[in-house]
Amino acid sequence: EVQLVESGGGLVKPGESLRLSCVASGLIFSSSSMNWVRQTPGKGLEWVSSISSSGFFMYYGDSVRGRFTVSRDNANNSLYLQMSSLRAEDTAVYYCARGGTTMTVWGQGTLVSVSS
Amino acid sequence: QSALTQPASVSGSPAQSITISCTGTNIDVGGYNYVSWYQQYPGKAPKLLIYDVSKRPSGILNRFSGSKSGNTASLTISGLQAEDEADYYCSSYTTNSSWVFGGGTKLTVL
Repeated sequence: EVQLVESGGGLVKPGESLRLSCVASGLIFSSSSMNWVRQTPGKGLEWVSSISSSGFFMYYGDSVRGRFTVSRDNANNSLYLQMSSLRAEDTAVYYCARGGTTMTVWGQGTLVSVSS
Repeated sequence: QSALTQPASVSGSPAQSITISCTGTNIDVGGYNYVSWYQQYPGKAPKLLIYDVSKRPSGILNRFSGSKSGNTASLTISGLQAEDEADYYCSSYTTNSSWVFGGGTKLTVL
């Protein structure tokens, strides 16, 4: 069974940084493109970032480009999202999801709250 | 990256069929056959229902079907059941290797 487990969420102040992690099991991680998607409380889904299976190609949504950095460690089946210069509007549940053209499997999410 | 347009809510009675629309543009829904649909229960992660416009992953019942015409994709749920009450989101691949989601539709089973 494919499983994705996110961690690293928490409460931070505006302008601070946070690093999210996602550990994968039950799949050939090194062959999987991966994504970060967030969901603001009570609202819809927003694509945040994607990274190719090799880690060579990285893509970002307009609202996070220049502040967030996606990376991966294929040796440890891990995906990361380094978030800096956090804003109140970044408050959301962050999901990691496997897939290239389709997000086939999702983790349970980790909550990031940005508030002074 | 403007969100795809979905109705905020739809409703139907058990055994009926409902259709949820998802309208985009020619740079997303209309430009690629990479439209997906997700089901989400409160407090849970989204679950893939439909991918590549009309394909069902293993384990998804054929009561769920997808289609596309021009810039609008649709999800149809037939034989509506109480457990279908959830939020539904569409998604499309778009230019510059990015993705866009719809605002979500709350399905109520009357």
